[in-house]
Amino acid sequence: DVKVTQSSRYLVKRTGEKVFLECVQDMDHENMFWYRQDPGLGLRLIYFSYDVKMKEKGDIPEGYSVSREKKERFSLILESASTNQTSMYLCASLPFQREFAYEQYFGPGTRLTVT
Amino acid sequence: AQKVTQAQTEISVVEKEDVTLDCVYETRDTTYYLFWYKQPPSGELVFLIRRNSFDEQNEISGRYSWNFQKSTSSFNFTITASQVVDSAVYFCALSERQGGSEKLVFGKGMKLTVNP
Repeated sequence: DVKVTQSSRYLVKRTGEKVFLECVQDMDHENMFWYRQDPGLGLRLIYFSYDVKMKEKGDIPEGYSVSREKKERFSLILESASTNQTSMYLCASLPFQREFAYEQYFGPGTRLTVT
Repeated sequence: AQKVTQAQTEISVVEKEDVTLDCVYETRDTTYYLFWYKQPPSGELVFLIRRNSFDEQNEISGRYSWNFQKSTSSFNFTITASQVVDSAVYFCALSERQGGSEKLVFGKGMKLTVNP
């Protein structure tokens, strides 16, 4: 069964802290994604990675960085957390496609509150 | 750029009513994929359907059906005889190639509440 896990369901951090959100998938997928979800805005892509050590900016990368040292793990880093980064963060993975677009598999989400 | 519009933000119905969720998209790609996801209160997104741009056949899966019309760039989702368990936020999404991968552009979501 497909599995994407995220290190925490709920997280509370202080302004200025460095925050790490971890995502692990056990499906040997090449592609991994980080989104944030805010009411009325839907899901917005922060960063994604299509291979180990590869990363690409999504639509809202400012204030975030990522790391992909191993295929199964994709980390989202908030270098200096700010209150406007309070949000739900969702990780997803996707196998490499040759001819067909597959669906992305999502983790359960991490609700981050920055105070 | 790709865009997905879900004009309805919130709908409330009574159990057993039929409900249609609208999705309109914009793309310049000739080959693309459309998706619907469900997000129940637990928070995890659940994949419902994928449709490619060359397949305009409607699809039915139990109480769910999807109507894809390329001429109007719409991919609407109908739930027949709604149930309380259908209460969730529903997202429509469109694929877009970027770099070495395929990313999804999501609509803003539509919250469906089914009351007993």
